[in-house]
Amino acid sequence: TQLLEQSPQFLSIQEGENLTVYCNSSSVFSSLQWYRQEPGEGPVLLVTVVTGGEVKKLKRLTFQFGDARKDSSLHITAAQTGDTGLYLCAAVFSGGYNKLIFGAGTRLAVHP
Amino acid sequence: SAVISQKPSRDICQRGTSLTIQCQVDSQVTMMFWYRQQPGQSLTLIATANQGSEATYESGFVIDKFPISRPNLTFSTLTVSNMSPEDSSIYLCSVEEPGQGNRRKYFGPGTRLTVT
Repeated sequence: TQLLEQSPQFLSIQEGENLTVYCNSSSVFSSLQWYRQEPGEGPVLLVTVVTGGEVKKLKRLTFQFGDARKDSSLHITAAQTGDTGLYLCAAVFSGGYNKLIFGAGTRLAVHP
Repeated sequence: SAVISQKPSRDICQRGTSLTIQCQVDSQVTMMFWYRQQPGQSLTLIATANQGSEATYESGFVIDKFPISRPNLTFSTLTVSNMSPEDSSIYLCSVEEPGQGNRRKYFGPGTRLTVT
């Protein structure tokens, strides 16, 4: 069974703080995606990473794909209240025929 | 990009009844996906629906419980049959951007189902 472990499960921080969310597996990913979901809405894609060691930046968000393509991280700098939401990593595993496996999610609350 | 709408947005149903959820996409797509998101949990794929063929169900999900229709390239329905409180969940419809490689997935807003 291909599993994605995401940590931490919950994160409550003050505005202006930095944070990192991790996504790990024992299996190799073909690609990995990060989504953000707000209450009452479906997940919205933030980024897709496909190359080992790849780093992508989206304003204050930095996404990294591990060299071995078994892990990824999302780092948010100077968090804002608008960053509050559920962050989900989702991976397509090598040989997994396009099936997207989701991590359990990290519920982030940023307080003013 | 794809814009997806779902109906109903939420419903409260009695156990033993069935609910059909509709998913409408603003463009033609080959594959549509139905996910379940139980309270406080992540997304679990229920089935993949291709137009003109039987849906493909994931382990733990069966057609009798979750029948799916896919009459055309822009529409699908998921029925939750003979509901129990354990079926209380958010049900999400998803489509993929056509193309090769790492396709982008778009999600509908979800249908929040509560079974009493």
